[in-house]
Amino acid sequence: DVKVTQSSRYLVKRTGEKVFLECVQDMDHENMFWYRQDPGLGLRLIYFSYDVKMKEKGDIPEGYSVSREKKERFSLILESASTNQTSMYLCASHQVSGANVLTFGAGSRLTVL
Amino acid sequence: EDKVVQSPLSLVVHEGDTVTLNCSYEVTNFRSLLWYKQEKKAPTFLFMLTSSGIEKKSGRLSSILDKKELFSILNITATQTGDSAIYLCAEALQGAQKLVFGQGTRLTINP
Repeated sequence: DVKVTQSSRYLVKRTGEKVFLECVQDMDHENMFWYRQDPGLGLRLIYFSYDVKMKEKGDIPEGYSVSREKKERFSLILESASTNQTSMYLCASHQVSGANVLTFGAGSRLTVL
Repeated sequence: EDKVVQSPLSLVVHEGDTVTLNCSYEVTNFRSLLWYKQEKKAPTFLFMLTSSGIEKKSGRLSSILDKKELFSILNITATQTGDSAIYLCAEALQGAQKLVFGQGTRLTINP
């Protein structure tokens, strides 16, 4: 069963801490994405990557960075967490040649105090 | 950038009712429209629609696209409590790898 695995389901961090959210996919997909989900706002794209070491900003990249050192792994980094980054973070992936049908991870719920 | 709008944002019905969820989109770079169901875990893919008027069906769920009026609907008949979820609509764009999502509809089915 193919899947996208997010390392942490729930995290609680303090303002100013550095936060790493890890995502691993086992489908050999080229494209990987980080979305943020907030009530009433839906899913908003933070960053995506179309190849190792390649990345593009999404709609809300401010306060975030990403790393893709291996094809299967895409990390989201909050350099200095703030309370307005409290949210559900969803990782997803799909093949370049596919129909943009994303496979999602289960999500990481981050609370910043 | 294309915008996707879902309605209603929240819906509460009784088991056995039929529900219709709406999704409108902008057409600038339309490639396809996708529906996902999200329970307390990863969103799961339901349907992808590319052509007008062709209904996609899976059990009690069905969906159709109207490319003239720029909207899609998701119908669920004889609802069950297991249908309670957030339903997400997303537009895939030509020449782009990302999806643009709507706000989601939170559907609650009461027994």
